[in-house]
Amino acid sequence: GAGVSQSPSNKVTEKGKDVELRCDPISGHTALYWYRQSLGQGLEFLIYFQGNSAPDKSGLPSDRFSAERTGGSVSTLTIQRTQQEDSAVYLCASSLLGYGYTFGSGTRLTVV
Amino acid sequence: AQSVTQLGSHVSVSEGALVLLRCNYSSSVPPYLFWYVQYPNQGLQLLLKYTSAATLVKGINGFEAEFKKSETSFHLTKPSAHMSDAAEYFCAVSDQPGANSKLTFGKGITLSVRP
Repeated sequence: GAGVSQSPSNKVTEKGKDVELRCDPISGHTALYWYRQSLGQGLEFLIYFQGNSAPDKSGLPSDRFSAERTGGSVSTLTIQRTQQEDSAVYLCASSLLGYGYTFGSGTRLTVV
Repeated sequence: AQSVTQLGSHVSVSEGALVLLRCNYSSSVPPYLFWYVQYPNQGLQLLLKYTSAATLVKGINGFEAEFKKSETSFHLTKPSAHMSDAAEYFCAVSDQPGANSKLTFGKGITLSVRP
C-alpha cells in the first residue's frame, strides 16, 4: 500500500482482556518496528523485525507482550491480560535500507 | 547506549518568529540523528536526518538542523514560524545509518504558534 496501515485506530478494552493490534507495512519494506507512545513519555521501543532474522524483543515491557510478523509482511502485537498502564498509542513503522522510518497513524489503546 | 534529551516540553512562538527546538544526544559511536514531526492524531513524519554528510541539514517545510559534535547537539530551527507548524517534534538518534536499526527518541516538544 501507499503507507503503513494500522488497525484498529482506537481500541477500548476491559482490564484483563487480551488485545491484538495489526500493522500492514509498506510493501517491500524489510524492517518493521513497534513503539509505544505514552503521554509525556515520548516513544518507547518495543520490538523490531528485520527480514528473516530473529526479532529484537529487548523493548517488550513484560511477558504479556508478544509480536509476530507473518511472511515478512503483516505484524500483530498481542497484549495479554491488559492492565491500565498499557493504555497508550501503539505506533508501527517500516523502513527500507537507508531511507528512514515511515510511521502509521497508530492504535490508541484504552484499558478500563 | 544512546540517549536524546529535549529540554522542556513546550515552546510557544509568535507567527513569523524564529523557531528553535533543542536536542542534545549521547552516543558512544558517531551518531545518526533525526527530527520527526507529529501532527494531532497522526503518525510521525520525517523532517530531516543527519547521516555524517553535511553538518547543516535542510528538511521539509523550511526546517533545518545543524550537527555540532563539540556540543553534542542537533537543534532544529526555522526562520519564520507558520501557524501550520504547531505540532509535536521528536529528536531521535541511531548508531547506524538511516537504515534498519532501532531509533531512540526524545520525549518530544510541543510547539505552539501564536497569531
